[in-house]
Amino acid sequence: AQTVTQSQPEMSVQEAETVTLSCTYDTSESDYYLFWYKQPPSRQMILVIRQEAYKQQNATENRFSVNFQKAAKSFSLKISDSQLGDAAMYFCAYRISYGGATNKLIFGTGTLLAVQP
Amino acid sequence: DTGVSQDPRHKITKRGQNVTFRCDPISEHNRLYWYRQTLGQGPEFLTYFQNEAQLEKSRLLSDRFSAERPKGSFSTLEIQRTEQGDSAMYLCASSQQGSGNTIYFGEGSWLTVV
Repeated sequence: AQTVTQSQPEMSVQEAETVTLSCTYDTSESDYYLFWYKQPPSRQMILVIRQEAYKQQNATENRFSVNFQKAAKSFSLKISDSQLGDAAMYFCAYRISYGGATNKLIFGTGTLLAVQP
Repeated sequence: DTGVSQDPRHKITKRGQNVTFRCDPISEHNRLYWYRQTLGQGPEFLTYFQNEAQLEKSRLLSDRFSAERPKGSFSTLEIQRTEQGDSAMYLCASSQQGSGNTIYFGEGSWLTVV
């Protein structure tokens, strides 16, 4: 069974600084997707960034980038130039990619990020 | 694109009562998902529809839970004979068919069973 582990329940970063959130996963599949979702308090979950497992290049979206280590089954999120609006719960998630699959997301337990002014 | 909408946003009910939540997905999306999220945890998959067909149900979905998507558009999630352990946020999400397509979430429906 696939599992996703986030070992940092809480993290804190100073505004304008850089922070890295960790995620490891376990799967026997070779083709899959990995995601980071952001869930602000009482707000809906939104996609931050996604990575296809077959791509060696790490995904980047503006201030957000990932370090994808397929052999180590590691998928960390780096937030550069942190802003107050980045404060939220961040979830790492996994999804099988082959056709006909459920496409259900498997989530980690989340990392609560606080941004200090 | 109005996003995924859920109703009601909050529901307080007495133990033993039935509750129903509604989800309206993004209009062109044919896949719809229900998840449950408790405090301090990540969302857990409950069930999934492709059009009107319910294709997968989690073991978490006991026989007190039922979900429908009668016309392949909106969906309802009903919980019968609610228990305190059902207190959680129920998230709906939708996506277009295709394994690479992004899953979009609604704001969730909070259920408190007293």
